[in-house]
Amino acid sequence: DAGITQSPRHKVTETGTPVTLRCHQTENHRYMYWYRQDPGHGLRLIHYSYGVKDTDKGEVSDGYSVSRSKTEDFLLTLESATSSQTSVYFCAISESTGTGSYEQYFGPGTRLTVT
Amino acid sequence: KNEVEQSPQNLTAQEGEFITINCSYSVGISALHWLQQHPGGGIVSLFMLSSGKKKHGRLIATINIQEKHSSLHITASHPRDSAVYICAVSQGAQKLVFGQGTRLTINP
Repeated sequence: DAGITQSPRHKVTETGTPVTLRCHQTENHRYMYWYRQDPGHGLRLIHYSYGVKDTDKGEVSDGYSVSRSKTEDFLLTLESATSSQTSVYFCAISESTGTGSYEQYFGPGTRLTVT
Repeated sequence: KNEVEQSPQNLTAQEGEFITINCSYSVGISALHWLQQHPGGGIVSLFMLSSGKKKHGRLIATINIQEKHSSLHITASHPRDSAVYICAVSQGAQKLVFGQGTRLTINP
C-alpha cells in the first residue's frame, strides 16, 4: 500500500468553526489531491497540488483552501465550516508512470460531520 | 450529461457468476481507471489502462478508445467481491473525473 495517512480520521465540529485536515505521504510523489465523496455525487475534486507551494482549484473549491509547504504534507482547510461540508474527504497522490499516465493512490479518508 | 457514465448502478448476482460493469466517457483521456471501495472502506486502484486489456487474477479490464467505452469483468465471483466499483478518467495529472459507481453484491 502507498504510504498515505490522513488525520484526523473522524471529526465532528460546529458550524462556523475552522477545520484543517492533513494528508501525509511517504512516497515523495509530486501530485496530491483532495476529494470529497457524497451520496448521489460520487467523488469530486476540491483542490490539487503539482508541487510545493503550487496548487490549483478543482470543481468544488468554494469554502476550501489548501497549502503545501513540504512535499509530504497537503493541508485542506475549511475556513468556516457549514453543514453542506459534511462529507468523507479523501486525499490522493500520484506520480507519472513514464507513459504520460498518472496512477492515483488514495488515503483512508476522513469523515467530517458539521453540526 | 455526466462525462463518465457507468452501468448498471446496482448489480446483485450469485456466487460464481460472471460479472460485467460498463463505463462510457465523453471526453478525451490519457487513461481510464477502475477503483474498488468496500463498505466503509478506502479506495483501491484496480487498473489503469489506456488501451487494450489488463488482467489481475479474476479481474479483467478492457478499453475501446474509438468507442470511448471500458468494461470491468469479474470471473467466478465471490461474496468478497461485493463493493462499489468506480470508473474514472484522467487527463494528464490534473484530475480524475469519476463515474457514479456500481454497487455490486454477490450472494453466497
